Amino acid sequence: QQQVKQSPQSLIVQKGGISIINCAYENTAFDYFPWYQQFPGKGPALLIAIRPDVSEKKEGRFTISFNKSAKQFSLHIMDSQPGDSATYFCAASDISSNYQLIWGAGTKLIIKP
Amino acid sequence: NAGVMQNPRHLVRRRGQEARLRCSPMKGHSHVYWYRQLPEEGLKFMVYLQKENIIDESGMPKERFSAEFPKEGPSILRIQQVVRGDSAAYFCASSPPVNGYTFGSGTRLTVV
Repeated sequence: QQQVKQSPQSLIVQKGGISIINCAYENTAFDYFPWYQQFPGKGPALLIAIRPDVSEKKEGRFTISFNKSAKQFSLHIMDSQPGDSATYFCAASDISSNYQLIWGAGTKLIIKP
Repeated sequence: NAGVMQNPRHLVRRRGQEARLRCSPMKGHSHVYWYRQLPEEGLKFMVYLQKENIIDESGMPKERFSAEFPKEGPSILRIQQVVRGDSAAYFCASSPPVNGYTFGSGTRLTVV
C-alpha cells in the first residue's frame, strides 16, 4: 500500500530526445508527488512536484504528467541534454503519514551526446 | 538561508570506533529525516525526527544506531562500533510541517 514503484531502473537517451520515467502507487490518500534529481556526490534536489488536482505541470523542459485513475505519474524531460544525466527519484506523501515521503527506487538517466 | 548543513562531508573511522554525523536543518524546518545510500543504489529511510521526538525509526538498525534532534543544536546520527558494512553516504533532509524536503550534501562514511 505504501510502495511507490519506479521504472525503468536505467535509461539511455540521445541528446535532444525525450526522457520518460514512470512511477505507480497504490495509496489513494497520497496527495503530493515530487521528483528529485541527484548528481553524483550530491544530495537529491527537488526538481518539480504536483498535486492530484491537476493532470500536468510544466517547468521549463520538465513536465509531470499525472493520471489519478491509473494511479500513475511520470516525468518527461524534453530536449534532453548531457547535463540532465543524473539519478531521478519519484516520491509520494500524504497528511496521514505526516507528509513523510515514500520513495521510488530511482532511475539512472544517461544522455548521450 | 544556508540550507541543510551536514558535517563532516567525509568521515573515516576504524572498525569498532564511533561515528557521529551532524545535521543542521534549514531555518524554520522542524522535521528531520536521515537516509542512507550505497553507491548506485536508492535512498534507504532510516529515521524521522521532530524536535526532541523520534517519530518513525522503522528504518534504523536495532543495534549500534541512534538518532536525536535536541531542542537546541543539530540532529545527530550516531553509529557505535562501526563495521565495514556501515560505509555509505548518509543524507539528512529537513522540511517544514507540510511538504518540501531539502537535502544536505551528505556525509560519506568510510570504515577501514
